[in-house]
Amino acid sequence: GNSVTQMEGPVTLSEEAFLTINCTYTATGYPSLFWYVQYPGEGLQLLLKATKADDKGSNKGFEATYRKETTSFHLEKGSVQVSDSAVYFCALSPNTGGFKTIFGAGTRLFVKA
Amino acid sequence: DAGITQSPRHKVTETGTPVTLRCHQTENHRYMYWYRQDPGHGLRLIHYSYGVKDTDKGEVSDGYSVSRSKTEDFLLTLESATSSQTSVYFCAISSDEGGHNEQFFGPGTRLTVL
Repeated sequence: GNSVTQMEGPVTLSEEAFLTINCTYTATGYPSLFWYVQYPGEGLQLLLKATKADDKGSNKGFEATYRKETTSFHLEKGSVQVSDSAVYFCALSPNTGGFKTIFGAGTRLFVKA
Repeated sequence: DAGITQSPRHKVTETGTPVTLRCHQTENHRYMYWYRQDPGHGLRLIHYSYGVKDTDKGEVSDGYSVSRSKTEDFLLTLESATSSQTSVYFCAISSDEGGHNEQFFGPGTRLTVL
């Protein structure tokens, strides 16, 4: 079946450090892949997406590349800010007629000034 | 921002009482979802809808029912609330345009069952 595995948190970084949050997936066919972010007290919001192999999604300095050969979609940012402190969810949506999204467990990021 | 609201935003109730949470959208999206979020469990799908009066169960549907009589409204009912249903509940919507199923989330409802 379809599943998403992401690195456990919390991840604690100093401001301006490099961020990587690992995400791997299991799916049949060619799913769409997403990163969602949840700030304290809010709902999830889409951060970036990639819909086919080798696509790179990017937004607000964050990037992730759809790697079908390694079934991965790792989130990266070159220089994090305190305002990036949040919970990050990796997710996939099968493109085989289904419309449900499978979410990873979430990774909490703390950024210290 | 997608037009999606949830009501109430906070509710405290007692065990055994019925509770209804409302999700309202102004995007005319076909699909609507109810999730619960609990520490250590991430997001879990309770029920979803793929059209008016078309609903189905998710992975944690026991003790919950839903109804969708209009495109814009999706109601989640706890028939007899239990303490294990204390959680934060999120509604989400998506369209099938492009087939990529990007979801838009509401702000959440924090429910406490005493």
